[in-house]
Amino acid sequence: EAGVAQSPRYKIIEKRQSVAFWCNPISGHATLYWYQQILGQGPKLLIQFQNNGVVDDSQLPKDRFSAERLKGVDSTLKIQPAKLEDSAVYLCASSAPGQGNNEQFFGPGTRLTVL
Amino acid sequence: AQSVAQPEDQVNVAEGNPLTVKCTYSVSGNPYLFWYVQYPNRGLQFLLKYITGDNLVKGSYGFEAEFNKSQTSFHLKKPSALVSDSALYFCAVRDGRYSSASKIIFGSGTRLSIRP
Repeated sequence: EAGVAQSPRYKIIEKRQSVAFWCNPISGHATLYWYQQILGQGPKLLIQFQNNGVVDDSQLPKDRFSAERLKGVDSTLKIQPAKLEDSAVYLCASSAPGQGNNEQFFGPGTRLTVL
Repeated sequence: AQSVAQPEDQVNVAEGNPLTVKCTYSVSGNPYLFWYVQYPNRGLQFLLKYITGDNLVKGSYGFEAEFNKSQTSFHLKKPSALVSDSALYFCAVRDGRYSSASKIIFGSGTRLSIRP
């Protein structure tokens, strides 16, 4: 079974530039998550999709971050414009349909450095 | 509001000795509890979970965890540590009342170091 795919693996940009990350979840997984993991901290949920609908985006900085999952499969996360404090690893995860009790499968992450 | 705490930033254990990584939580309803492990330059991997039933749950790589409702804890344990267990461990909690709509909260992580 193929895992969660993410690209790119690494990205370096200057502040005020824009950047986009892509995620392809495990086939059949209806729930998709984007996390931000700052060095030395646990992952922080940015947004959760159920199919192509948003379940929770309460911690997404909506003035600069956006995410979409148009066809209920792949997803993109965008930052525009980036700030220095956005330097982090961005993790995508997916889980099978259920009642919130299914484990999440994580991709390798995208390490973003904002200079 | 739900929360999860991992009180130890680092745990050091000699190979062959038992290990414990601590986790306490706070939720309004029944908790769904998870442990994940993160190896260097890799994504998080699921180890085990507690949803309901037996308080002692067994997971991957010989790990187990005990759910203690009165102490609101879910400590991760292994009877005999291996050097390969050295990694970053995260506890996570979700409020089971709201099913898939509830947010999962991760702890800050505990770095486990096993010395030969």
